[in-house]
Amino acid sequence: KAGVTQTPRYLIKTRGQQVTLSCSPISGHRSVSWYQQTPGQGLQFLFEYFSETQRNKGNFPGRFSGRQFSNSRSEMNVSTLELGDSALYLCASSLEVVTEAFFGQGTRLTVV
Amino acid sequence: AQSVTQLDSQVPVFEEAPVELRCNYSSSVSVYLFWYVQYPNQGLQLLLKYLSGSTLVKGINGFEAEFNKSQTSFHLRKPSVHISDTAEYFCAVSEPGGANNLFFGTGTRLTVIP
Repeated sequence: KAGVTQTPRYLIKTRGQQVTLSCSPISGHRSVSWYQQTPGQGLQFLFEYFSETQRNKGNFPGRFSGRQFSNSRSEMNVSTLELGDSALYLCASSLEVVTEAFFGQGTRLTVV
Repeated sequence: AQSVTQLDSQVPVFEEAPVELRCNYSSSVSVYLFWYVQYPNQGLQLLLKYLSGSTLVKGINGFEAEFNKSQTSFHLRKPSVHISDTAEYFCAVSEPGGANNLFFGTGTRLTVIP
């Protein structure tokens, strides 16, 4: 069974640009969650999508958005990038109720 | 919202010695509990989980954890560590019937000394 795939693994962007990250969940998983990991703030929940609908959202500004497609693949978009958005972005897939979440290897975003 | 406290940010331990990584959570309501491990530049790998039933949970790589409801704790233990256990360990909690996301602790960096 293939794991959670995140692309790209590394990104370097300039302040003010926007970026799109992609996540393909484990086959059969319809819930996809996104987390931001930074040395200062740790692991913080961004949002969760289930069956193409955002079901839950963390405390992040509106510059952070996402969507989920009918095949459960999800994308996360960050607009007007700031230096503080530099982080490891992790995607997790699970069944409807998170009795076990499987994480991808993450996308390392660096904003310069 | 839940909060998770990992009391030790760094734990150095000699190879083949036992180790305990501590985790406390805030809520007294029913919760699911997890321990994840993260190696450098990698995602999170599930070590073990508690959903219900026996309070002693065994996971991969020889790790185990004990759920203590009265103390709202879920400490991770290993009787004999190896160099390869050097990594960051995260405790996490979710609320069944609540929002479908994990609340993470700040992590414990375990360093195994040869």
